[in-house]
Formats: sequence, structure tokens, C-alpha cells
Amino acid sequence: AQSVTQPDIHITVSEGASLELRCNYSYGATPYLFWYVQSPGQGLQLLLKYFSGDTLVQGIKGFEAEFKRSQSSFNLRKPSVHWSDAAEYFCAVAAMEYGNKLVFGAGTILRVKS
Amino acid sequence: DTGVSQDPRHKITKRGQNVTFRCDPISEHNRLYWYRQTLGQGPEFLTYFQNEAQLEKSRLLSDRFSAERPKGSFSTLEIQRTEQGDSAMYLCASSLVTGTGSNQPQHFGDGTRLSIL
Repeated sequence: AQSVTQPDIHITVSEGASLELRCNYSYGATPYLFWYVQSPGQGLQLLLKYFSGDTLVQGIKGFEAEFKRSQSSFNLRKPSVHWSDAAEYFCAVAAMEYGNKLVFGAGTILRVKS
Repeated sequence: DTGVSQDPRHKITKRGQNVTFRCDPISEHNRLYWYRQTLGQGPEFLTYFQNEAQLEKSRLLSDRFSAERPKGSFSTLEIQRTEQGDSAMYLCASSLVTGTGSNQPQHFGDGTRLSIL
């Protein structure tokens, strides 16, 4: 079975500061990994995905994430946060053998202070 | 690409009533997933379809829940005899799976917020 841990429930950063959101997963093989963002009352928007290959993946809105197999991690980063990045961020894992259904972490709420 | 569409966006109903939600996936997508999200939690998988075939149901999906995708296009999720604990956001997602089973990312709709009075 797969599982995802997002250890930080809330994170507050200043506008313009760098950001790193942590994600650890549990799965025996190499999973598919995703980061989604959700604004209040809305659905989830895909930020980026890792399937295979280069372990540093680029996404939309200036986000990137790095897959580290040895640490079972897929942390999300952004060099300079904008006020519009305030939202909830979800890390998710999927595997073909499980029908590609997504298993999500509990999410991290990002607050941006001006 | 018109995106995944869900209807209604909000549903308020009394306990014990039946409700039905609809999801229209991205037109060329053959996979359709339903998830449930409660406050402060990540979405949890409920069920998924490959074309019109329902391939898996979570144990979260009690016998009061039923989902269909009759023509392999839109899908409905029905909850019978609603309970307080059914209050949640119900999310639909779709994706394209090729013959090799390779994974394409799921695209989500804006969800249906269900409130049980």
C-alpha cells in the first residue's frame, strides 16, 4: 500500500522569500509523484509531476520539485513566493498496479505575509 | 480542452434524502475517478472507471453509494439515505490511459460541496 506524509500543516513565509514544502511517501517501487494546489472552495490544479527520468522536475508558476529515492521524498520548492501562492498544497502518489488512483497527503496550508 | 465539469457546485439537503452528482470529464479521457474530501484532509479515493467499466471501489464506498458511467462519458455518483457524515466535497478527476497503461496526470473538476442538515 502507498502512503504520503506532509509533516507541516501550516507554513507562513514572507512575500519574496523562498519556500520548501516537504513530502515523504511510502511505496516499494518507484511511484508516480504529484503536487497539486487547491484554493478555497476549488478543485485541485496540477503543479508538476514525476514519472521517471530527471529527478528535478519543473512545474507551473515557477515551482519545482526534487525526487530523492534514498529519502523517499518529493519536496516542492519555489525561490520567491508571491502573495497569490497562498493556498493549500497536496502531495500525492500513484502506481499503475493500483489503477493509478491518487493517494494524497493531508496537505500544507501556505500563508504569505506582506 | 474544456476541463472537467461537475454539477451542482453546492448541494444542501436534509438527512435521509437521496442526492446525485454529475461529472463530465475531458472528452478524450477514458479514466474517471471520484474522490471525497473532508475539511482539513486530503482527497480520498472512492471509485474509478475505465470507459464504462467500474474497476475498483474503495471500502469507503458503502452500499448507500453508487456510481455509474453508462456510456463511458459522463458519470453520476448517487448517495442514498444521506447521513451527517456524508458532508464533504466530492471531486471528480479524469485522465487518459494508453494501451501500455502509462500514467497521465489526473485533471480535477471544482467539486460538489455537499452539506447535510
